[in-house]
Amino acid sequence: DAGVIQSPRHEVTEMGQEVTLRCKPISGHNSLFWYRQTMMRGLELLIYFNNNVPIDDSGMPEDRFSAKMPNASFSTLKIQPSEPRDSAVYFCASRHRDRDYEQYFGPGTRLTVT
Amino acid sequence: QQQVKQSPQSLIVQKGGISIINCAYENTAFDYFPWYQQFPGKGPALLIAIRPDVSEKKEGRFTISFNKSAKQFSLHIMDSQPGDSATYFCAATVGGGSNYKLTFGKGTLLTVNP
Repeated sequence: DAGVIQSPRHEVTEMGQEVTLRCKPISGHNSLFWYRQTMMRGLELLIYFNNNVPIDDSGMPEDRFSAKMPNASFSTLKIQPSEPRDSAVYFCASRHRDRDYEQYFGPGTRLTVT
Repeated sequence: QQQVKQSPQSLIVQKGGISIINCAYENTAFDYFPWYQQFPGKGPALLIAIRPDVSEKKEGRFTISFNKSAKQFSLHIMDSQPGDSATYFCAATVGGGSNYKLTFGKGTLLTVNP
């Protein structure tokens, strides 16, 4: 089975540009999580969805960040406008309804904002 | 406020030695404590997990020790191998309902020398 798929794997953009990160969860999983990883702050949960519905977005740093999950097989995390401090690795993870707290992470998108 | 404190930040062990990573938590409502392993360029992957109703869980060379009264848990890697070199994260969560939110420690970079 394919794992969590994220695209792009690397993104370099200039400050002020819009960035869209994409995630395809594992088929059959009903929870999806977006994380940000930096050296300073470690792994931070940004937002998560259950059955395509946002449950907790308290980790979203500010209004420049938005996330959507239009269907069970696709989610996006958008940053508009992007800033240098948004540079980080962004992970998507998914969870199967019967597997309690086990989350499967994707390979991540390394974002660099210059 | 960091709810899961992890130490040490980095650890160097000789091949065959025992690696020990410690975590402490504050929220007594946490009821699931997983450890994740992350190799460079990859997403974290679930390694082993424990619930507070047991004091120890062992899977192969990996053991979690849990001390509920002290609000501490630790990961022991026996017979450490160079292939174990990775970053290890402890995590914790409060279950129930639709809450599957994990709170991660800052991570420990383990290097196992041959």
